[in-house]
Amino acid sequence: GAVVSQHPSWVICKSGTSVKIECRSLDFQATTMFWYRQFPKQSLMLMATSNEGSKATYEQGVEKDKFLINHASLTLSTLTVTSAHPEDSSFYICSARDARALKETQYFGPGTRLLVL
Amino acid sequence: DAKTTQPPSMDCAEGRAANLPCNHSTISGNEYVYWYRQIHSQGPQYIIHGLKNNETNEMASLIITEDRKSSTLILPHATLRDTAVYYCIVPNSGGSNYKLTFGKGTLLTVNP
Repeated sequence: GAVVSQHPSWVICKSGTSVKIECRSLDFQATTMFWYRQFPKQSLMLMATSNEGSKATYEQGVEKDKFLINHASLTLSTLTVTSAHPEDSSFYICSARDARALKETQYFGPGTRLLVL
Repeated sequence: DAKTTQPPSMDCAEGRAANLPCNHSTISGNEYVYWYRQIHSQGPQYIIHGLKNNETNEMASLIITEDRKSSTLILPHATLRDTAVYYCIVPNSGGSNYKLTFGKGTLLTVNP
């Protein structure tokens, strides 16, 4: 149980285009999903917290107009990188928290590697 | 939020127990200790969590000191596939959402 998927697993795009990444909780409902970014040889950095049916909460320094998050259902959150640039190239990882669980465990997706040319 | 400190790296022989320490001296009474690991180029994997009592599951054991200022994650029989960065985290309660702040973790290398 507690499986989280991401799609696509990797994407290459041209500078200036937008890229959408999907995060799905496969066997549980997630009222809260989180989006992280990880640059090479660095640790994960939380970008935003996404609650189903409400606006995402962004961490300091993360541009909400550039990284659009939609959490329209209890099993799906999407991250759209708008007008991507080479500096947005990174490993994007989502996690989800089980709505029914009393504990705060987050289950992570396998990540999406984005390369912007 | 309670910060954690971990050694940057450790080595372990295959088949032996791996004991990964973590200090969390500022932890408060109702805060849990979580352990995750990240194998290269993959998303983090939940391992175990605990509050006061020692915990064990199919992956590992978690030993928490009585004063709760430190803990040790034990992989009883390490395999080569356990080579990963291990993160000890005390979630930060941001309102109703608990945030995970990933430090640098401990790179565990299991050697044949």
